[in-house]
Amino acid sequence: ILNVEQSPQSLHVQEGDSTNFTCSFPSSNFYALHWYRWETAKSPEALFVMTLNGDEKKKGRISATLNTKEGYSYLYIKGSQPEDSATYLCAFYGSARQLTFGSGTQLTVLP
Amino acid sequence: EAGVTQFPSHSVIEKGQTVTLRCDPISGHDNLYWYRRVMGKEIKFLLHFVKESKQDESGMPNNRFLAERTGGTYSTLKVQPAELEDSGVYFCASSQDAGNTEAFFGQGTRLTVV
Repeated sequence: ILNVEQSPQSLHVQEGDSTNFTCSFPSSNFYALHWYRWETAKSPEALFVMTLNGDEKKKGRISATLNTKEGYSYLYIKGSQPEDSATYLCAFYGSARQLTFGSGTQLTVLP
Repeated sequence: EAGVTQFPSHSVIEKGQTVTLRCDPISGHDNLYWYRRVMGKEIKFLLHFVKESKQDESGMPNNRFLAERTGGTYSTLKVQPAELEDSGVYFCASSQDAGNTEAFFGQGTRLTVV
């Protein structure tokens, strides 16, 4: 059973604050690490797909880093806005050829 | 281009009945996944098709669940007979290149077994 863990489970921040959360995954048999954003009553939408150790990706105020050797990825949100409120999921894709999701970090940005 | 579509969006059935969920992936996507989210918990993998072949069905909970993808296009997930614990939201996703490209999700089918 693959262990993909995300922390914290939930997070409340004030509008304008920057925040980050963690995804840890197996460091062996790594192919790719995905980040998704999941708003209530919608379906998950991809933010990033990262494949190389040291990868850094950015989309607007959101960025992510990847360390495959130690098995973790960070997602950063700069200057959080209420519309950033969502559950952020990471998913590990390895040699088992199955996309395994973490339980997510539920972010609430308070105005 | 149409996204991943799932039908129905909601289904309420009685315990012991049969339900069939359908997923139409994005055209040209060979990889099709089924996931479910039960009671607000994390998304759990059910199975993965590559074209019409089952690449991995290790997440299927038991033999009451049957998935097919005839012709490598749309897929169906049948639950027969449904039990109370099968209630949840069933998501389908498709991707072009397994793992290395993003998966596109459908809106999900909310299944309630009463």
